[in-house]
Amino acid sequence: DGGITQSPKYLFRKEGQNVTLSCEQNLNHDAMYWYRQDPGQGLRLIYYSQIVNDFQKGDIAEGYSVSREKKESFPLTVTSAQKNPTAFYLCASSIDLWDRAINEKLFFGSGTQLSVL
Amino acid sequence: AQSVTQLGSHVSVSEGALVLLRCNYSSSVPPYLFWYVQYPNQGLQLLLKYTSAATLVKGINGFEAEFKKSETSFHLTKPSAHMSDAAEYFCAVSDRRGYQKVTFGTGTKLQVIP
Repeated sequence: DGGITQSPKYLFRKEGQNVTLSCEQNLNHDAMYWYRQDPGQGLRLIYYSQIVNDFQKGDIAEGYSVSREKKESFPLTVTSAQKNPTAFYLCASSIDLWDRAINEKLFFGSGTQLSVL
Repeated sequence: AQSVTQLGSHVSVSEGALVLLRCNYSSSVPPYLFWYVQYPNQGLQLLLKYTSAATLVKGINGFEAEFKKSETSFHLTKPSAHMSDAAEYFCAVSDRRGYQKVTFGTGTKLQVIP
């Protein structure tokens, strides 16, 4: 079955530590996204990528970094510069970024809950 | 700039009763509008979307929403609530420039009382 796989489901970060969240998709989608979800705040876009080796900052990119070395993979690193990392992180994908994508669905993974020790 | 406002962070209905979740949007251009559902500890699933065809949009699981330009609303309804409808629902708006420009609302948690 095609879909998006996020791992781990739960992750704990120590102060000063960088942690990486994995996101893999086998939908052959060009575009991938990372969202942060905080209670009562909805979803906020961290980074997005239209194509391999290219990515752009979203609305809340500070303290995060990404890479897109393969079409199917879009890992997110939460760096020590992110002072409030506790949140639910969602990865998503779509066929592409542009209007054609709107005629299709935005597919979501099942999320990673990151907490600070 | 675009935005969505979901009225009521928590809504409770009895099983079998009407479900009404409210969403009002703001957009400087004709919008695309979406409703997503999220079950606990899971990602979001698309319920339905409005992309400028019929103003009454039918989605999965018996949900539907009506686009009302004069009221800038896109409320989600279901005639009869089921226990399995208990989840969090998000309204979202796009200015048609792709998913990187989608703005999500703050969500409404639906509780269904037996």
